[in-house]
Amino acid sequence: NAGVTQTPKFQVLKTGQSMTLQCAQDMNHNSMYWYRQDPGMGLRLIYYSASEGTTDKGEVPNGYNVSRLNKREFSLRLESAAPSQTSVYFCASSEVGISPGGYTFGSGTRLTVV
Amino acid sequence: AQKITQTQPGMFVQEKEAVTLDCTYDTSDPSYGLFWYKQPSSGEMIFLIYQGSYDQQNATEGRYSLNFQKARKSANLVISASQLGDSAMYFCAMKRGGYQKVTFGTGTKLQVIP
Repeated sequence: NAGVTQTPKFQVLKTGQSMTLQCAQDMNHNSMYWYRQDPGMGLRLIYYSASEGTTDKGEVPNGYNVSRLNKREFSLRLESAAPSQTSVYFCASSEVGISPGGYTFGSGTRLTVV
Repeated sequence: AQKITQTQPGMFVQEKEAVTLDCTYDTSDPSYGLFWYKQPSSGEMIFLIYQGSYDQQNATEGRYSLNFQKARKSANLVISASQLGDSAMYFCAMKRGGYQKVTFGTGTKLQVIP
């Protein structure tokens, strides 16, 4: 089925370790996003990419880097994981502008940093 | 800056009854879109309904309807004939025209009682 695919689904890291969360979409969307979800705080935007070749900071970018590898793929990297980065991470994609479909989300990555 | 407010952290509703989940928003842009997403306990984000700022009629999708009151800047979700499967977190979100970012509220946890 068409959609947004995130890997891995679960990950446990030790403080200071690095990892990359992968995201790919096959909907031919121009825009892609990374959000984190924490209890009581809704979804907060980490980084987004309005189109291939561009990336911009969102609300909570510190401690993260992103790469828009091509139109399909948008990865999120934690260079030195901290316990405060324990969260559920969602990748999403959308058309440019306002479209009735809004975002299409991946299934999420549950990350625990110990 | 745009902001979404959901003032109900949790709600209960009897099965087969209707329920309204509140959402207010703040933006000075004339062009924007409003969305509702459902997040069941399994964690995925499911798009429910969309309302454009220029739409003359309230959006409806099956048992979901959006009570859009533009002057009050409210976009409440109404679920008719609640079912046990409606138990989930519900997020209101907004996207402004010309911007790629979507802002989410903190969510309302709905529990349907048999």
